[in-house]
Amino acid sequence: EVQLVESGGGLVQPGGSLRLSCATSGFTFSPYWLHWVRQAPGKGLVWVSRISSDGIDKKYADFVKGRFTISRDNADNTLYLQMNSLRADDTAIYYCVFLYSGNWGQGTPVTVSS
Amino acid sequence: DIQMTQSPSSLSASVGDRVTITCRASQDIRNDLHWYQQKPGKAPKRLISAASSLQSGVPSRFSGSGSGTEFTLTISSLQPEDLATYYCLQHLNVPVTFGQGTKLEIE
Repeated sequence: EVQLVESGGGLVQPGGSLRLSCATSGFTFSPYWLHWVRQAPGKGLVWVSRISSDGIDKKYADFVKGRFTISRDNADNTLYLQMNSLRADDTAIYYCVFLYSGNWGQGTPVTVSS
Repeated sequence: DIQMTQSPSSLSASVGDRVTITCRASQDIRNDLHWYQQKPGKAPKRLISAASSLQSGVPSRFSGSGSGTEFTLTISSLQPEDLATYYCLQHLNVPVTFGQGTKLEIE
C-alpha cells in the first residue's frame, strides 16, 4: 500500500523557516517525480513545487520562487520542502503528492502568524 | 500557464440525480487530466486519471470524458456519501493547475 506521511508543519512567525518532510513507503520511490500542493483555509488546491526522480530538475510556483526549496533523499525514500521567509499567506495545509498513482499524504498544517 | 475553468462552483442535487461537472482548459492538454474528490477535513482522493480511467475501487457511478480542452465528470446516480468538493487537475505542463472546485451538496 502506497503511503505518504508529512511532518514538520507548525506555527511560525512571519519571516521564519520550516522544513517539511514526507516519508514514503509502499512503492519504489526513486524513479518517480513528486510534488507539493497546498490548500489555504477554506480555499482550493494550489500546486507549489515538483522535483524530478534524480532530484536535479526542480520547478516552483512563482509565489514561492526564491523562498522554498524542494529536495529528496532517494536512499531514505523521503521528500522535503524547505520553506524560508514565510509570510502570512503561506498559511495552508501542505500535501505531498505522488501524482503518477494519485496518492496524497494526509497533509501537514503550516500557520504563519505573530 | 494553463488555466483550468471549472463549473459550476457549487451544485445542489438530490439522491439519485445525474450530476455533471465541467472543466475547460485554456489550451489543448490532450487527456492529461485527473479528477479528485475532497471530503471535509480529508486529503483529496483521485477518482479519474487520463480524463476517463476510473481509479481502482472508485464506484462505477463516477465517469470521466473529454480530451483537448473540454472535460466532464459525471455521477450517474448521486449518493449521500458523494457530498464533497470536486477538482480537476491538468498535468501536461508545469505549473500543474487545478480547477477552482465544485462544492456538491445533497438536497
